[in-house]
Amino acid sequence: AQKITQTQPGMFVQEKEAVTLDCTYDTSDPSYGLFWYKQPSSGEMIFLIYQGSYDQQNATEGRYSLNFQKARKSANLVISASQLGDSAMYFCAMRDGRGNYQLIWGAGTKLIIKP
Amino acid sequence: DARVTQTPRHKVTEMGQEVTMRCQPILGHNTVFWYRQTMMQGLELLAYFRNRAPLDDSGMPKDRFSAEMPDATLATLKIQPSEPRDSAVYFCASGLGLVENEQFFGPGTRLTVL
Repeated sequence: AQKITQTQPGMFVQEKEAVTLDCTYDTSDPSYGLFWYKQPSSGEMIFLIYQGSYDQQNATEGRYSLNFQKARKSANLVISASQLGDSAMYFCAMRDGRGNYQLIWGAGTKLIIKP
Repeated sequence: DARVTQTPRHKVTEMGQEVTMRCQPILGHNTVFWYRQTMMQGLELLAYFRNRAPLDDSGMPKDRFSAEMPDATLATLKIQPSEPRDSAVYFCASGLGLVENEQFFGPGTRLTVL
């Protein structure tokens, strides 16, 4: 069965340090996509980054990068040079290629950046 | 800048009342999703549509919840009768439905049932 696991319920990180948020996934389908979303305290869900299962390179978007380790089934989000505005909930999600259009979601990690 | 819109943004109602939430997906998106988010349960998928046809509503309490897409620009989620345990933030999201396509979320409707 498809599953997303985020093992860190919460994290405190000093401003300007790099942050790694863990995500492991389980699927039997060779074709799948992995997504990270940010939810600040205002409540909106903001798409951050996408990684496809066949992508050869790790995805990057500005300060966000995805450390994709296919054999380990992990898709960790790395935020470089963290900022106070990065404080939020972060969700990892997955969609496989079997025609299921929905995303399978992790429980989220609450990240707090300390000044 | 295309966005998913949801109305109302906030709703306070009394137990037993009917609640209707509306969503306008991004023009051209063919999949629409309804989610509920609570502190206890996290983000739950209630129902979703592709090309206006309901594909899965197994996450919805069938006796009181209903979801429809009367046309491509409107999705509705109704609760009748509402109960205090329905208090949550309800998100609508839309997308193109392919493996690589992200879902775009609306701002949510914060529902409080007294």
